[in-house]
Amino acid sequence: QVQLVESGGGVVQPGGSLRLSCVASGFTFSNYGMHWVRQAPGKGLEWVAFIRSDGSDKYYSDSVKGRFTISRDTSKNTLYVQMNSLRLEDTAVYYCAKDAWGGLDYWGQGILVTVSS
Amino acid sequence: DIVMTQTPLSSPVTLGQPASISCRSSQSLVHSDGNTYLSWLQQRPGQPPRLLIYKISDRFSGVPDRFSGSGAGTDFTLKISRVEAEDVGVYYCMQATQSPYSFGQGTKLEIK
Repeated sequence: QVQLVESGGGVVQPGGSLRLSCVASGFTFSNYGMHWVRQAPGKGLEWVAFIRSDGSDKYYSDSVKGRFTISRDTSKNTLYVQMNSLRLEDTAVYYCAKDAWGGLDYWGQGILVTVSS
Repeated sequence: DIVMTQTPLSSPVTLGQPASISCRSSQSLVHSDGNTYLSWLQQRPGQPPRLLIYKISDRFSGVPDRFSGSGAGTDFTLKISRVEAEDVGVYYCMQATQSPYSFGQGTKLEIK
């Protein structure tokens, strides 16, 4: 069965950096695009970033462009997001999700990132 | 950027009765490849989102057939034919036609 497991979350100060990982299993990772989506406490879903199956294209939301970098390592079946210059408003649960025809068909359980001084 | 607007934001429904959620996009969601990448997701309390519908009307594996999607261009609808207790949660539409991709604000479905 498809599994996505995020890690790397925690508490970081404003201006700090964090790298999240998402280990995928149960499907051929190299065949699918992948997304990061976040959800601030008590708020709705916010799309963050997408990377194509071969890593050739990467897209970002305006709110993270220039600060976050999405990447993938097919040899490790792992998706990453490097988050720099973190702000208070980046506090959220971050989900990785698998893409299927523009629908996000499988999601991880999410990992909490708290930006606080 | 494409803005997704859902109505209503809250929907109290009687068990066994139908429910409908509307989603409107600020631009057409027809992709240059001819597909329309509009999906619907459900998020139950304390859980990650779950895909219900993709490409306007394709039901994802395991999703009950009481869920259906329709629409075209900029106007889309999710319908639940007969609401069950397990359908309580927040429903989101999402567009993946044009980057940056975007979600609607969410519609909270609750039982009267």
